[in-house]
Amino acid sequence: AQSVTQPDIHITVSEGASLELRCNYSYGATPYLFWYVQSPGQGLQLLLKYFSGDTLVQGIKGFEAEFKRSQSSFNLRKPSVHWSDAAEYFCAVDESGGSYIPTFGRGTSLIVHP
Amino acid sequence: DSGVTQTPKHLITATGQRVTLRCSPRSGDLSVYWYQQSLDQGLQFLIQYYNGEERAKGNILERFSAQQFPDLHSELNLSSLELGDSALYFCASSVTGTPNQPQHFGDGTRLSIL
Repeated sequence: AQSVTQPDIHITVSEGASLELRCNYSYGATPYLFWYVQSPGQGLQLLLKYFSGDTLVQGIKGFEAEFKRSQSSFNLRKPSVHWSDAAEYFCAVDESGGSYIPTFGRGTSLIVHP
Repeated sequence: DSGVTQTPKHLITATGQRVTLRCSPRSGDLSVYWYQQSLDQGLQFLIQYYNGEERAKGNILERFSAQQFPDLHSELNLSSLELGDSALYFCASSVTGTPNQPQHFGDGTRLSIL
């Protein structure tokens, strides 16, 4: 069965600093990969996704993620964090190969200091 | 505002009871998804419907059922409720229901079992 690991429960960064949120998955083939953000009291919003092709994926709000097959990782990055980026971030993996049956990581809470 | 409406916003009930959660998708979206978010289980995909038909099934318990009606709204029925069913239940919608389509999330229904 597929699994998704987000090793960091909380991450604290200063506004303007760079950010990297880690995501590792266990699956033999290349799954579909997603990053979502959840602001307090709201549902999820898709930041970006990877299905195939270029391993560096650009998303909304200035985020990007890089798929590294050798490391089974799909880390989320942002060069300069804004206070409004404080939220919960979820990595998700879908191995269904065409349907949509994702498995989510437990999430990383991002705290931004002024 | 995502355009996805979930009712009620909060629901408090007792063990053994049955509840119905309702979701109205964004105008023009044919597919509806249900998710459960709890402290114990994290975020889990439950089930997806497309134009009235079940398309994909995730970690949905047998005590739970869902359907999508001809007007495309969807209901999630939870029966024989247990304390562990306390969670935030999200509905999302997308145009075609394929994995590459972005999903629009509602703000959720918070279910509390006493």
